[in-house]
Amino acid sequence: DTAVSQTPKYLVTQMGNDKSIKCEQNLGHDTMYWYKQDSKKFLKIMFSYNNKELIINETVPNRFSPKSPDKAHLNLHINSLELGDSAVYFCASSQARYRNTEAFFGQGTRLTVV
Amino acid sequence: KQEVTQIPAALSVPEGENLVLNCSFTDSAIYNLQWFRQDPGKGLTSLLLIQSSQREQTSGRLNASLDKSSGRSTLYIAASQPGDSATYLCAVKAMDTDKLIFGTGTRLQVFP
Repeated sequence: DTAVSQTPKYLVTQMGNDKSIKCEQNLGHDTMYWYKQDSKKFLKIMFSYNNKELIINETVPNRFSPKSPDKAHLNLHINSLELGDSAVYFCASSQARYRNTEAFFGQGTRLTVV
Repeated sequence: KQEVTQIPAALSVPEGENLVLNCSFTDSAIYNLQWFRQDPGKGLTSLLLIQSSQREQTSGRLNASLDKSSGRSTLYIAASQPGDSATYLCAVKAMDTDKLIFGTGTRLQVFP
């Protein structure tokens, strides 16, 4: 029974297209995150949502728009895809903000922009 | 600004060896430190979580220690096996921003 699940696992698309990545967690957590892992395998936070409210918005181009329809879901929509957006995107969740809580990650979505 | 560094960047050892992976961070204001494992092309698997008030945590052949005052954590792997081959990441949960800040990772290869 997967705790944090992302779809799709792989996404290959052309420059200029718009695409979405979906994330769902069944852990009952309040906080969800999007992380990006670049070609050098470095992981960096993009967004954080708590109870459907945007909490963290790092310096991410506004072509990236997260949407949280409810506490269990956090989707990432990307407009006008660029070559530099190619990366692995990870969704994560944890029980609450500003707490000593463990983070759980999805399996990642490998986005390739051609 | 919190920065997390992992040493060594890569490690190749014969199976059976005991290993120590190092993680250092610059700001001691953390909630916890978490060690993850990432297999090639896969997601992150949480291995151990050490709360800021704890000194160590153990799970099977893995033992993680935390010295918050010196900004260091070590992951000790006993009797390494080829199945331990993966990239190991440490991450601290920062108090001021609630973000998980990751280290650069240690790529481990254990050969038979």
